[in-house]
Order: sequence, then structure tokens, then C-alpha cells
Amino acid sequence: GNSVTQMEGPVTLSEEAFLTINCTYTATGYPSLFWYVQYPGEGLQLLLKATKADDKGSNKGFEATYRKETTSFHLEKGSVQVSDSAVYFCALRAGGGNKLTFGTGTQLKVEL
Amino acid sequence: ETGVTQSPTHLIKTRGQQVTLRCSSQSGHNTVSWYQQALGQGPQFIFQYYREEENGRGNFPPRFSGLQFPNYSSELNVNALELDDSALYLCASSLTRGDEQFFGPGTRLTVL
Repeated sequence: GNSVTQMEGPVTLSEEAFLTINCTYTATGYPSLFWYVQYPGEGLQLLLKATKADDKGSNKGFEATYRKETTSFHLEKGSVQVSDSAVYFCALRAGGGNKLTFGTGTQLKVEL
Repeated sequence: ETGVTQSPTHLIKTRGQQVTLRCSSQSGHNTVSWYQQALGQGPQFIFQYYREEENGRGNFPPRFSGLQFPNYSSELNVNALELDDSALYLCASSLTRGDEQFFGPGTRLTVL
């Protein structure tokens, strides 16, 4: 079946540091890939997405590139802010349906 | 434009009871999906409703059931509650099947 594996957290960074959160996936066919962010006490918000190989999704300084050869979709940001502190979820959608398969999430803490 | 809303925000039940959670989809959206997010885990797909009919189901027992109304709002019903049902229940709506999902803030269910 489909699955998503994320690096375990928490990840603690100083403000303005470079961020990478690793995500790899297993899926049949050609899934769409997503990063969602969950701030404390809130629901999930779509951060970025990519629908085919070599696509790069980007939003709010975050980027992720769909790498089919390595089945990866790593999230990066060049300079994190305290306001980026949240839990980040990698997810995929495959098979033409609407079901999202999520990873376990990675908590990011950014300190001054 | 009003986003996805869910009620109640928090709920405490005892084992064996039944619970109903409610979700109002974003205006114009005809598809609603429900997810269960256990503490420290990623959301797990329960089922999806499209135009008032179930349109896909995850690996959840039949005591998890749902409904979608003509205005596309939705209910999630859980019978014979178990301790492991304690989780955040997320509702997501989309314009139609396969489109971006917009999540509500969730209902926190605690089963004692």
C-alpha cells in the first residue's frame, strides 16, 4: 500500500538557520505530493504541492521538489523564523481518489 | 468566504457511548473527507462523501459511519466508543473529488 516516511522530530533550529525535513514515499503509479503545516491548536493548512516528477512546489519561502528517482519530497527553507514553529506533515494522494496518506509529522521549533 | 467549521471543539465521552461530530464544508464544496489524528501521529483517512454518498473508506470498522446532507455538510458517527478512539477528528472539504482539501480546526474527542 501507499506510505509516507518522515524524519522524526523535534527539530530545533535557531532563527535564520537552514531547514530540511526529509520525506520519502511508497506508492503505486504517479502520486501527487503535499506538505501540510499544523500550528498549535489548529487544523492542517496546505503549504505546497507538486503533481508530477521534477515539479517544485513553493510557498512562503518553503520549497520541495518531486524526485521520482529517489521517491522523495524533502521540505527546505533557507532562513527559518520563530513563526515557522509548527508540525509539518508530508502527504501523498494516489490512484485518482481524494484520500490523503500522511506521514507521522515532524515538529519544528525555532528559537531566537 | 467561510472556511470549514467543525463542532463541537472538544468532547468527553465514556467507553461504550456513541458520538456525533459535525462539519460544515466551505461554500461551494461538494466533497467532505474525515480523518482521525491520534496524538503524535499523522491523520488517518476514515471516509469521504461526495454528493451525499460514501466515496471511499479507509481501514476503520463499521462502527464509524457518516452522512452528508443536501447542503453538503457532514456528520461522523462513532458507536460503541473505545479508549483508542480518543483523537483529533479532522474534516476537510474540497470543490469536488480530487481537488485541494481544506481542513477544519478539528474536534478533540476524549474517551474515558
